Amino acid sequence: DTGVSQDPRHKITKRGQNVTFRCDPISEHNRLYWYRQTLGQGPEFLTYFQNEAQLEKSRLLSDRFSAERPKGSFSTLEIQRTEQGDSAMYLCASSHIKTSGRDNEQFFGPGTRLTVL
Amino acid sequence: SQQGEEDPQALSIQEGENATMNCSYKTSINNLQWYRQNSGRGLVHLILIRSNEREKHSGRLRVTLDTSKKSSSLLITASRAADTASYFCATVTGSARQLTFGSGTQLTVLP
Repeated sequence: DTGVSQDPRHKITKRGQNVTFRCDPISEHNRLYWYRQTLGQGPEFLTYFQNEAQLEKSRLLSDRFSAERPKGSFSTLEIQRTEQGDSAMYLCASSHIKTSGRDNEQFFGPGTRLTVL
Repeated sequence: SQQGEEDPQALSIQEGENATMNCSYKTSINNLQWYRQNSGRGLVHLILIRSNEREKHSGRLRVTLDTSKKSSSLLITASRAADTASYFCATVTGSARQLTFGSGTQLTVLP
């Protein structure tokens, strides 16, 4: 399968625990995005990488959230000291700056559903 | 924050009927995209229309764009039960070229 993959697909954790999610973008896609989606809403942008550089972070990304993309391939999103309000679907998307250009059609993974008890 | 609002929030139709969803947005755009999301799953890109285009077709999908009214519509013709999903419009904004999504329309196609 050459699509965007995310792991795990589901995560249940207790409040206060740390969690880490992984995203593997489509091979050679140099743009990688993280979005968060709560029930009944559209996804909201969290952060963006171009290659290994994190170029933009949303105000939604509190200091408990950190994202990395070492070597410009897969990315991880870590949430420290989880709160119940962090419960959501976390979506990863990738695109290629040359093939998608200004249009920036993005390809989404299946998401990681986080439940904080 | 959400860029756009979709209307209606929910739509229920019979198989074979057409479904129309509308999207309004707030700021000037480079393009507007429509995505489909099946229950609890990732988003699938359906169609993209650029700001200098007024109408676009792809299979059973027809998208229109009115930049003067900052609105777009998605028409699905001859709907099928498999079209049951949430549909989101999204615009490309910001220096990161991120997608800014609307709140979505939940479409139910009854067999």
